Amino acid sequence: NAGVTQTPKFRVLKTGQSMTLLCAQDMNHEYMYWYRQDPGMGLRLIHYSVGEGTTAKGEVPDGYNVSRLKKQNFLLGLESAAPSQTSVYFCASSYDRSSGANVLTFGAGSRLTVL
Amino acid sequence: DAKTTQPPSMDCAEGRAANLPCNHSTISGNEYVYWYRQIHSQGPQYIIHGLKNNETNEMASLIITEDRKSSTLILPHATLRDTAVYYCIVRVGNAGNMLTFGGGTRLMVKP
Repeated sequence: NAGVTQTPKFRVLKTGQSMTLLCAQDMNHEYMYWYRQDPGMGLRLIHYSVGEGTTAKGEVPDGYNVSRLKKQNFLLGLESAAPSQTSVYFCASSYDRSSGANVLTFGAGSRLTVL
Repeated sequence: DAKTTQPPSMDCAEGRAANLPCNHSTISGNEYVYWYRQIHSQGPQYIIHGLKNNETNEMASLIITEDRKSSTLILPHATLRDTAVYYCIVRVGNAGNMLTFGGGTRLMVKP
């Protein structure tokens, strides 16, 4: 199993450009999350999803949009990138309905720099 | 989900046991205690979780007090590779709601 895969791993954007980060999981998990982590700081929740077709705001949702059209994918979009969005982005998934296990599995991260 | 309180940093000598405390005094009866760690800038990694009883796996042991208001993660023989930020989280078993991380404990294992 690949677990949670994030693409791209690295990206450099100019202010005002748009982009989409893709998160894919192959564990049939119900829940998916997007976090950001700034240097020396903890994880902050951007958006999350408790099922296909549903999304909800986290702690720091402004400037981001998400979609979960398929159960296995969770997309994070930046419509107009700003330097303040320079960060490492982590995707996570959890909850296997068949086993009841609700352990978070994280991706390796996507490092985004906005100039 | 109940909030947790952890010391911001701890040191441990290599080969000794590392005991990381977590306070969760507002924990509800159906909330589990989960521990994760983040090594350098990698994605956080699951360590262990429990509800009431003490738990042990190949990575660590989890000791939960009888009143469930606090817990301790024990790394029995810490190595340099255990240097990381350790996060304690409490949440309902099958909850998929907002899941936030606090600052965690930065454990430094020293030779």
